[in-house]
Amino acid sequence: DGGITQSPKYLFRKEGQNVTLSCEQNLNHDAMYWYRQDPGQGLRLIYYSQIVNDFQKGDIAEGYSVSREKKESFPLTVTSAQKNPTAFYLCASSLQGAENIQYFGAGTRLSVL
Amino acid sequence: GNSVTQMEGPVTLSEEAFLTINCTYTATGYPSLFWYVQYPGEGLQLLLKATKADDKGSNKGFEATYRKETTSFHLEKGSVQVSDSAVYFCALMPGNNRKLIWGLGTSLAVNP
Repeated sequence: DGGITQSPKYLFRKEGQNVTLSCEQNLNHDAMYWYRQDPGQGLRLIYYSQIVNDFQKGDIAEGYSVSREKKESFPLTVTSAQKNPTAFYLCASSLQGAENIQYFGAGTRLSVL
Repeated sequence: GNSVTQMEGPVTLSEEAFLTINCTYTATGYPSLFWYVQYPGEGLQLLLKATKADDKGSNKGFEATYRKETTSFHLEKGSVQVSDSAVYFCALMPGNNRKLIWGLGTSLAVNP
């Protein structure tokens, strides 16, 4: 089955720790995205990548980093510089065609210990 | 600039009631419009879309019509079910770039 796999489903971070959220897709999509979802705030774009080895900051990139070494993979690192990391993180991917329909993973819920 | 405004929730309905979730937008050019749905504990999935004025998107009994004159894309369903309980997001893709602009989401709870 084609789709987007995010792991882990739940993640806990200690003070001063970096954590990495995994996102893998087998849809052969060129573009991938990371969103943060907080209650009552909708989706906010963290980073996006339209092609391998290239990515751009979204609206709330501070305290986060990404890499795009393979087409299938777009991991997100939440660094210790992100002071309020508790949120639901969603990864998405899309073709580069005109409609840009985004397909989402099931999400990772990150909490701070 | 580009923006999407959705009616605030939560919306609570009884089974078989009529549903409307309002969505209005501001955009330059000719955006495409989308409704996504998020079931509890899951990611989002596309519900329907419309790419030009007067297009009607439809799926699973839901409909929305792209109204350029009122800059709206309201979501409707004639008879909701308990299984429709979810959060609904309106989004637009501006004509001049690829990034989606999201509304804040509207939570719907349908009681039996």
